[in-house]
Amino acid sequence: DAKTTQPPSMDCAEGRAANLPCNHSTISGNEYVYWYRQIHSQGPQYIIHGLKNNETNEMASLIITEDRKSSTLILPHATLRDTAVYYCIVRDEGYGGSQGNLIFGKGTKLSVKP
Amino acid sequence: DGGITQSPKYLFRKEGQNVTLSCEQNLNHDAMYWYRQDPGQGLRLIYYSQIVNDFQKGDIAEGYSVSREKKESFPLTVTSAQKNPTAFYLCASNTPQKSLAKNIQYFGAGTRLSVL
Repeated sequence: DAKTTQPPSMDCAEGRAANLPCNHSTISGNEYVYWYRQIHSQGPQYIIHGLKNNETNEMASLIITEDRKSSTLILPHATLRDTAVYYCIVRDEGYGGSQGNLIFGKGTKLSVKP
Repeated sequence: DGGITQSPKYLFRKEGQNVTLSCEQNLNHDAMYWYRQDPGQGLRLIYYSQIVNDFQKGDIAEGYSVSREKKESFPLTVTSAQKNPTAFYLCASNTPQKSLAKNIQYFGAGTRLSVL
């Protein structure tokens, strides 16, 4: 699996957009980019994923560069409840076994401040 | 509501004792996973199971054991051989699918294990 690089921490003002970057320069053609987040002392929560097109859902938007070597997760109007560690993961969509596993790095700790 | 239930939320282990962490899901998922998380670190895979009566070692299986007798349940035993068991343990499940599908894992709330 491709490795990802994320900044260890970021701050964002409440109500502003939070833009979380992720580098995945060794991503291969069949690997998806997934984003999860983990609020303190809870289990990780799925946010969004994409292959090459930009994606949007009720939680966030995912912007993937044309060369797919980096992506940005956008929380359009951050709230205090968005304070969490955000994980960027690349994984192929392979079936079963170890291909179903996700590899979580240290992520980015996002602090939303009033 | 559908989801994954882990119990207990907090667990204490004495030296030389085996303890078992429970994980139950009612999502009808085929695959289940156990992860360990140390403070300030990411998640590391302990064991996973794709189907009933089958499971595979993850990256850090030593000192742990699992069983998968029912689709809904995937208990993890932390044995006395695990010398540093203090951590946050997370259970997850999904149904890994073939192409064009989502490989989304759903997580429980976790069990925090400490050594007395």
